Amino acid sequence: AQTVTQSQPEMSVQEAETVTLSCTYDTSENNYYLFWYKQPPSRQMILVIRQEAYKQQNATENRFSVNFQKAAKSFSLKISDSQLGDTAMYFCAFMIMNRDDKIIFGKGTRLHILP
Amino acid sequence: NAGVMQNPRHLVRRRGQEARLRCSPMKGHSHVYWYRQLPEEGLKFMVYLQKENIIDESGMPKERFSAEFPKEGPSILRIQQVVRGDSAAYFCASQRSRSTDTQYFGPGTRLTVL
Repeated sequence: AQTVTQSQPEMSVQEAETVTLSCTYDTSENNYYLFWYKQPPSRQMILVIRQEAYKQQNATENRFSVNFQKAAKSFSLKISDSQLGDTAMYFCAFMIMNRDDKIIFGKGTRLHILP
Repeated sequence: NAGVMQNPRHLVRRRGQEARLRCSPMKGHSHVYWYRQLPEEGLKFMVYLQKENIIDESGMPKERFSAEFPKEGPSILRIQQVVRGDSAAYFCASQRSRSTDTQYFGPGTRLTVL
């Protein structure tokens, strides 16, 4: 079975601090995409960052970066210089390439950025 | 370029009624996915459609649920004889092509069954 596990249901950090959200996944496939989605109180799903499994270099998007460890099946998200607007649910997810394209989501981590 | 549109944003139905949820994909996108999010849960895949075809409906309950994506017009997710357990947020995502692109999500429809 293909699963995504986010072991931190909820986290709180002070504004401007750095925070890391954990994610592990399980799949027997070799080619896949990994994602982090943000869901603010508006409930809109916003793509934060995406990583192709065949790329060794970790993806970065401004203050957001990932630590992708393929052998360990780990895909953590680091948010640097956190801002109040980063308060949201964060979902880790993956999708198998060239298969059915369905995205498998974790249960999410609720992140609070404190002023 | 407008994003994925979903309507209504909120839908209230009484038990036994029908719910129709609409999704208009982004321009140029012919692949549509429906996901359901129960309270305090992640999104769960329901069905994948291309124009006029259901490609994968493995995540959709066999009874009461159906989906379509006609040649013209939006994709429709239809729930007949709704029950309280159908209360959830339903998200639609669209994608331009298979596997090499990103799925863009709509704002979701929050269904409440009284």
